[in-house]
Amino acid sequence: SQQGEEDPQALSIQEGENATMNCSYKTSINNLQWYRQNSGRGLVHLILIRSNEREKHSGRLRVTLDTSKKSSSLLITASRAADTASYFCAVSGGYNKLIFGAGTRLAVHP
Amino acid sequence: EAGVTQFPSHSVIEKGQTVTLRCDPISGHDNLYWYRRVMGKEIKFLLHFVKESKQDESGMPNNRFLAERTGGTYSTLKVQPAELEDSGVYFCASSQVQGPGELFFGEGSRLTVL
Repeated sequence: SQQGEEDPQALSIQEGENATMNCSYKTSINNLQWYRQNSGRGLVHLILIRSNEREKHSGRLRVTLDTSKKSSSLLITASRAADTASYFCAVSGGYNKLIFGAGTRLAVHP
Repeated sequence: EAGVTQFPSHSVIEKGQTVTLRCDPISGHDNLYWYRRVMGKEIKFLLHFVKESKQDESGMPNNRFLAERTGGTYSTLKVQPAELEDSGVYFCASSQVQGPGELFFGEGSRLTVL
């Protein structure tokens, strides 16, 4: 399967701490994307990193991509209670679709 | 600009009944995707439309599922007859570009089959 697999499955931290989530995949990709889902809502796109990129930033988000290890990480700095959500990575590799993993549930406590 | 809308938000039906889920993509988005998430597992791809054509339906579980996108606008996903294992949240997403780039998701239709 090409799907992204997130690690850890669940993460609990205090406000102000950093949160790091990892994603591994199995085949070559065109791009890798991260999405957030608040409880009961739809997924919201956070960031896209292409296979020829190694790092990308967007506000408090930092995404890295290591194609040799077939892995990516999402770092949320200075987390807030509002960051509480599930985070999914999704990979696209030669197919016109995204393949998602099971997500990481992040809980940020005030 | 309106986002992707899905209807109904929640449907509870008995095993053997039929349910039809509807998705209205963002206007002008030719690409429309259906995904399903069951019991906190991965979000599984079901199928992909480009306009009214099925580009990829490799994720459709079986022939009890029928997706249509007449006229290349809204799409429906019919489950007939529904089974217990069909319970889950069905997400629709649309995008303007292939590749794919960023997907815009609806809030999902939660299906409960009793």
